Amino acid sequence: SYVLTQPPSVSVAPGKTARITCGGNNIGSKSAHWYQQKPGQAPVLVIYSDSDRPSGIPERFSGSNSGNTATLTISRVEAGDEADYFCQVWDTYSDHVIFGGGTKLTVL
Amino acid sequence: QVLLVDSGGGVVQPGGSLRLSCAASGFTFSTYGMHWVRQAPGKGLEWVAFIRYDGNKKLYADSVKGRFTISRDNSNNMLYVQMDSLRVEDTAVYYCAKEVGPTYFDFWGQGTLVTVSS
Repeated sequence: SYVLTQPPSVSVAPGKTARITCGGNNIGSKSAHWYQQKPGQAPVLVIYSDSDRPSGIPERFSGSNSGNTATLTISRVEAGDEADYFCQVWDTYSDHVIFGGGTKLTVL
Repeated sequence: QVLLVDSGGGVVQPGGSLRLSCAASGFTFSTYGMHWVRQAPGKGLEWVAFIRYDGNKKLYADSVKGRFTISRDNSNNMLYVQMDSLRVEDTAVYYCAKEVGPTYFDFWGQGTLVTVSS
């Protein structure tokens, strides 16, 4: 089955740029989506279709997807960005939704 | 505004059954696919099941296939999942989620906790 691999944790200082990766076999041929989840809350969509932002999501959030890696980039990181981030794709071979294991973003 | 309200969680013994519900409002429910996604305590997200907008296509994760049944009532804007033969490893917060194409989730319910324990 298709597997998405994320680093368990990423740390960044306020005002700097955080990059969270999501590795998968030829993930660049799929649409990658990203969710932010804060403790005790439901996930929130922050990037869809590789690089599009839903309304209400700051421009500081951006995404890219090529080859075997999709990347969520958060510019000018703020304390409020501290959360778990999950990538997600649809695997057409298995007809399953696949989530990455999640990355905990810590703002130092 | 879109609202999804999950309910029906609780404590159940291994081998038992539970039915979760998701009440939808603020959008034309009958035109969207819907999913259940779960999250075990302290763990990541796991997709559980999908049902097409008309109810005529259903998909399941391997971990629940044959034990869980997803359904919907478009007349009342309700999504369900019937969970049978529950196992300790089914313990999780269960979220319903509204699908947009190509298969991602723009709105989630608040989640309902299912605890399988003797």
